[in-house]
Amino acid sequence: GAVVSQHPSRVICKSGTSVKIECRSLDFQATTMFWYRQFPKQSLMLMATSNEGSKATYEQGVEKDKFLINHASLTLSTLTVTSAHPEDSSFYICSALPPRTRGTDTQYFGPGTRLTVL
Amino acid sequence: GQQVMQIPQYQHVQEGEDFTTYCNSSTTLSNIQWYKQRPGGHPVFLIQLVKSGEVKKQKRLTFQFGEAKKNSSLHITATQTTDVGTYFCAGSQLTFGSGTQLTVLP
Repeated sequence: GAVVSQHPSRVICKSGTSVKIECRSLDFQATTMFWYRQFPKQSLMLMATSNEGSKATYEQGVEKDKFLINHASLTLSTLTVTSAHPEDSSFYICSALPPRTRGTDTQYFGPGTRLTVL
Repeated sequence: GQQVMQIPQYQHVQEGEDFTTYCNSSTTLSNIQWYKQRPGGHPVFLIQLVKSGEVKKQKRLTFQFGEAKKNSSLHITATQTTDVGTYFCAGSQLTFGSGTQLTVLP
């Protein structure tokens, strides 16, 4: 099956610093990637849709200047949490959409990044 | 916007018992997907349902899509400890249900 990697898996940073998270599709090209946020014991909340070569589409309530997304190639999307604060601490998960086959919209998820802001 | 409700939130079963989680959407869905997330892990795709009234089986798992394409269910027959995790449904607008956390007691 399709493999998506995410780096780093864990990061601890001080308040006010910026953190970059990478999401890579390892064995397929993904024109579309998604970024989610998950709080403990809660569901996934879609933050934004990352499209290769164009600006990301952010969900309502997500600050685009706070969460910078860059989808510079067909296999890499990055999420930068700028000026992180403790309330940004969460589990960030990316997913990638492989080329559409048989009409499915299967997303393949990365392993996630646990961000802790002190 | 699309809202997807999922019940129950938690379910504890004895190993060997059956388990069902239900998903209801506020709008008609073009498709619905089911994912499983193990504790500490990430969501893993299980299946996608597209057709009205569709039923699909994967070994002990049975997935159903309602006739009106607004609800779906996942049924596990004779649960095993390996079934432990949180099961999410997701609507066609990438709206995830709240998930059902399944605990299987040996």
